[in-house]
Amino acid sequence: AQTVTQSQPEMSVQEAETVTLSCTYDTSESDYYLFWYKQPPSRQMILVIRQEAYKQQNATENRFSVNFQKAAKSFSLKISDSQLGDAAMYFCAYRRYQGGSEKLVFGKGTKLTVNP
Amino acid sequence: DGGITQSPKYLFRKEGQNVTLSCEQNLNHDAMYWYRQDPGQGLRLIYYSQIVNDFQKGDIAEGYSVSREKKESFPLTVTSAQKNPTAFYLCASSGDRDGRYEQYFGPGTRLTVT
Repeated sequence: AQTVTQSQPEMSVQEAETVTLSCTYDTSESDYYLFWYKQPPSRQMILVIRQEAYKQQNATENRFSVNFQKAAKSFSLKISDSQLGDAAMYFCAYRRYQGGSEKLVFGKGTKLTVNP
Repeated sequence: DGGITQSPKYLFRKEGQNVTLSCEQNLNHDAMYWYRQDPGQGLRLIYYSQIVNDFQKGDIAEGYSVSREKKESFPLTVTSAQKNPTAFYLCASSGDRDGRYEQYFGPGTRLTVT
């Protein structure tokens, strides 16, 4: 069964500094998608970044980048130049595709605090 | 503007009553999902539907029911059989944006049962 593990329930970072959130996953598939979602206090889920497993290049979206290590099944999120608005819950997710249906499997999340 | 709407934002019910949560999307997506979120649990899948008139149980379907009579709508009923219904419920749909897969979420409904 596919599982997603976020080993850091909480993290904190100083404004303008860099922070890395960890995620590992378990799968026997060779082609899949991975995602990081952000959930601010409003509770709206916002897609931060996605990675296709067949791509060797790590995805980047402005201040957000990932370190995708396929062999190690690791998918960490790096936030550079942290801003107060980055404070949120961050969820790692794996897209499972099986038998014509697809769904996301989520980790339990990491709460990120940004200190001014 | 395309998106997903959920109503109401807050819902209060007495124990023993069934309650239906609304979810509507105008993104023309075939697939729709319902998740439950509890503190420290992340998102857990309740039901999902890949196409109209078809749906599958997720990981925690007991005490819930759904219907998918229209592509745009995927209502969730929380029945009296659900032992701990108080939670935050998120609806989502999935499709491709610029050729890349993405799952879009509604704003959620906070259900409180007393």
